[in-house]
Order: sequence, then C-alpha cells, then structure tokens
Amino acid sequence: EDQVTQSPEALRLQEGESSSLNCSYTVSGLRGLFWYRQDPGKGPEFLFTLYSAGEEKEKERLKATLTKKESFLHITAPKPEDSATYLCAVKGSGTYKYIFGTGTRLKVLA
Amino acid sequence: ETGVTQTPRHLVMGMTNKKSLKCEQHLGHNAMYWYKQSAKKPLELMFVYNFKEQTENNSVPSRFSPECPNSSHLFLHLHTLQPEDSALYLCASSQEWLPRTDTQYFGPGTRLTVL
Repeated sequence: EDQVTQSPEALRLQEGESSSLNCSYTVSGLRGLFWYRQDPGKGPEFLFTLYSAGEEKEKERLKATLTKKESFLHITAPKPEDSATYLCAVKGSGTYKYIFGTGTRLKVLA
Repeated sequence: ETGVTQTPRHLVMGMTNKKSLKCEQHLGHNAMYWYKQSAKKPLELMFVYNFKEQTENNSVPSRFSPECPNSSHLFLHLHTLQPEDSALYLCASSQEWLPRTDTQYFGPGTRLTVL
C-alpha cells in the first residue's frame, strides 16, 4: 500500500537555526514526490517536484532532496515568514492518486 | 484570473440545505481533483476527473455529487450534509498526459461549516 510519513509532526526553530524535515514513503513506481507549503486556512502552495533518487532542487532558503525511500526538506537560516505546515505527497505510476502525509507544522521564532 | 480559483471561500449551511462549490483552473490542465482537509488528517482525495471523465471516486458518500462540464470547471454539489462534513474543501488541477508534468496546483479552498 502506498504510504507517506512525515516527521517531526511539529518543529519550533529560532530564527537562523537551520533544520530538516523528513518525508518517508513507499510507493509502487514513483512518478513524482511533491513538497507544498500551506498557511492556515489556505490551499497548499507548490514548492518542488522531485522525480528520481539523487535529484535536488533549491528555492531561496529551501532545498529538497530525494532518495529511494525518503525526501528531506532542508531549511537554511529560516525566518519567521517560513512558519507554515509543509506537506509531502507521492504519486505512483498508473494512478491518478496523490498520497499525502499529515505534514510538519513549522514555527520560526524571531 | 490565474491559477486555480474556488468560490465561495466560506460557506455555512444547515443539514437540509443544498449548495454547490465551484472550481475553475486557468492553467490548461486536463485533470481536476476534489480533496477534503480535516484537522490533523492527511488530505483525503474525493474525486478525480481526467478530460471531463471521472476516474476516481474514493468511496465518497452520495450526499457529495461532483460535476465536470469541461476540463476547466469542476463543481461539488452538496445536499443533506452532516456536521462531520465540516472541513476545508480543496480543488486542484494537473497535467496528466505528459511525463514529468503531473504537479498538482491547488486553489485557496472553501471553508465549509455544517450546522
């Protein structure tokens, strides 16, 4: 069964304190792994798509990496405006279903 | 308008009411999705349409009725809902027929409260 597990469930960081969020997955024939940012009461905002192990993508203070079993979202020198819930999802081959994790709630303190 | 839009943004309805949620995508995508998001639960896929044809119905109760008149518009018709149906309803779209193009883009959601 396709599955996504995110950890930690919640994370509090001081401004400038770098850290990583984890997304472990099992899927039949990975077609893509997706990272989103979601602010309270709003729709998820697309961050990255990773397609194959070894792939990395960066955007400002965020960097996403992918292995055959997990993905990491690294946050370098975070700012309070990075506070949000970060969602990870996977899609397997031959399906229209995207499997989401429960997210990591990040709070960055000034 | 750009991206994926949803109306209304907020909806309060009684259990006997009938209402509809609307989603429109301006991205030229062929697939559209309805999700339900409840507190502390992963996004729950409800329905998927690809080129206007329903391809997934994730065991959703019949009080939720989807409609997809074309690849740009998606509706969710609601009737005789229960209080536990209160949630954020999200619409998304993606391009499904080319490799490495199937990133989903989400609308802002409709916050539904059932009294």
